Amino acid sequence: DAGVIQSPRHEVTEMGQEVTLRCKPISGHDYLFWYRQTMMRGLELLIYFNNNVPIDDSGMPEDRFSAKMPNASFSTLKIQPSEPRDSAVYFCASSRRLAGVSGANVLTFGAGSRLTVL
Amino acid sequence: GQQLNQSPQSMFIQEGEDVSMNCTSSSIFNTWLWYKQEPGEGPVLLIALYKAGELTSNGRLTAQFGITRKDSFLNISASIPSDVGIYFCAGQSNTGKLIFGQGTTLQVKP
Repeated sequence: DAGVIQSPRHEVTEMGQEVTLRCKPISGHDYLFWYRQTMMRGLELLIYFNNNVPIDDSGMPEDRFSAKMPNASFSTLKIQPSEPRDSAVYFCASSRRLAGVSGANVLTFGAGSRLTVL
Repeated sequence: GQQLNQSPQSMFIQEGEDVSMNCTSSSIFNTWLWYKQEPGEGPVLLIALYKAGELTSNGRLTAQFGITRKDSFLNISASIPSDVGIYFCAGQSNTGKLIFGQGTTLQVKP
């Protein structure tokens, strides 16, 4: 199993540009989470999906952020237009939920995408 | 919203010493998880706790799920240099939403 795969690992862009971060969850996992990590705010949950459907997007900062999961093996997080305060490491994580069974919903994280907006 | 208070924020200890860190919340969680993050990588699961009062060990690591379901602690015994990293607690509600503490940065002096 290759684990959760994120791309790009690093991105440097200029303010106002569109940024798209990509995630491939572990096969068979039906939950997918996007987190943002900064020194000031730690790990913040942005949005999570269950069976490709967004369940809770209350952590999405503002309308400039959007996330999609068109199928079980792919998700994107898009920022348009980007701003310097969006600079952070963005993590994707996935899990398999087995109702009523221990071990349910233990997240496996990708290596992260480090975004720098100049 | 739900928040986790993790302490201490950082620790600088001598190799061989024991370490203890904890998390508290105003909300009840169904699951407590402890993760470790090393530079340039995502958090990696160390221990998962599923029942109030549960005490679980993983090598030199021991964690407990508080009886009130609002707290958890992690102990590391006989620390070694490779224990260096940031340790996060995380609480999970029955909706699946996982909330992280602010992290405890551990440094170990050989």
